[in-house]
Amino acid sequence: NAGVTQTPKFRVLKTGQSMTLLCAQDMNHEYMYWYRQDPGMGLRLIHYSVGEGTTAKGEVPDGYNVSRLKKQNFLLGLESAAPSQTSVYFCASSYSLVGTEAFFGQGTRLTVV
Amino acid sequence: QQQVKQSPQSLIVQKGGISIINCAYENTAFDYFPWYQQFPGKGPALLIAIRPDVSEKKEGRFTISFNKSAKQFSLHIMDSQPGDSATYFCAAAAVTAGNKLTFGGGTRVLVKP
Repeated sequence: NAGVTQTPKFRVLKTGQSMTLLCAQDMNHEYMYWYRQDPGMGLRLIHYSVGEGTTAKGEVPDGYNVSRLKKQNFLLGLESAAPSQTSVYFCASSYSLVGTEAFFGQGTRLTVV
Repeated sequence: QQQVKQSPQSLIVQKGGISIINCAYENTAFDYFPWYQQFPGKGPALLIAIRPDVSEKKEGRFTISFNKSAKQFSLHIMDSQPGDSATYFCAAAAVTAGNKLTFGGGTRVLVKP
């Protein structure tokens, strides 16, 4: 039972480079989310999706884009990486009802130099 | 602004003691309050959750207390064990906002043997 799988687990980027983080879930969840985790700030929502083909902005969307072409996958893109985007990124998924558990991936540690 | 404020940022407790973490929220539309536990290098995992129609929920050694009028909720870890050493996040979500979780800043708990 894989749950939520994120790739890659680690990445170092130079300022201005681009990359895509991939999230895959095998639980048939409708909702998927991308969070970033920074010390003392908890997890902050970047973008989320309530279904295939739909995306919406979260709390800190600037500098990121997302796509959800298939229900099981949610991609997070950085078009031009900046040092401020150094963080640990977590993908999560859940069913659509409030009060249902959100399942998180293992995280991607991204460093932008 | 941080919609969910969590304290303390860290705490140290002796084995067998009680760990208490507090959270306060501002958005009265929140109606789901989970706590997540995170071990180093792992994604957060749901520990226990409460809805505002009850004032307390207990699962094993973990108890959530909820005060709707004060807009506060807390996590009590009874008989703390070294295996409980982790970072704990409170969170909140609203039925009108698609199950999006707003997290507190996190509390790092260290249980000394």
